[in-house]
Amino acid sequence: SYVLTQPPSVSVAPGQTATITCGGNNIGDKSVHWYQQKPGQAPVLVVYDDSGRPSGIPERFSGSNSGNTATLTISRVEAGDEADYYCQVWDITMIFGGGTKLTVL
Amino acid sequence: QVTLKESGPVLVKPTETLTLTCTVSGFSLTNARVGVGWIRQPPGKALEWLAHIFSNDEKSYSTSLKSRLTISKDTSKSQVVLTMTNMDPVDTATYYCARIQGTTPVRWFDPWGQGTLVTVSS
Repeated sequence: SYVLTQPPSVSVAPGQTATITCGGNNIGDKSVHWYQQKPGQAPVLVVYDDSGRPSGIPERFSGSNSGNTATLTISRVEAGDEADYYCQVWDITMIFGGGTKLTVL
Repeated sequence: QVTLKESGPVLVKPTETLTLTCTVSGFSLTNARVGVGWIRQPPGKALEWLAHIFSNDEKSYSTSLKSRLTISKDTSKSQVVLTMTNMDPVDTATYYCARIQGTTPVRWFDPWGQGTLVTVSS
């Protein structure tokens, strides 16, 4: 079955740019979606179809996808961005990555 | 406003069957290409997709749990029901339902329900 690989953790200082990767075999041929999950809360969609941004999601959140890596980029990181982030694709079934904990230093 | 809400037991005993209900509002389960999925998350662990069902009654299950899962819908009640048999303590998790958006092969979950924590213990 298809596997998505995310780094367990990423740390960034406020105001800097956070980059969270999602690796998969030829993932560039798939559509990747990203979710933010804060402690005790349900996941929230922050990027869909590689780079689409749902209504209400700040422009600071952006996505890209090419080759074997999809990337979620958070610009001008704020303390409120601290959360777990999950990537997801459709490959016959729904598949999630293992999640990345973003820490704002 | 689209909302989903999970309901079901908080505690189940090992070997029992879990039945969870997802009640949706703001959209109809009969709408073309509409789907609802179930996802779970053990404490401190990652999200795990379990199953989903579409308006045309197309269903799909996690390969590893397929033998234990059944998903169905009651469009008149705007509900999607998931049953999981032979519960085990490792099935302790928060169970979420979520609407499926997009069209195959571009599909994602949005929005999600608040989730319901199910503990499996004797």
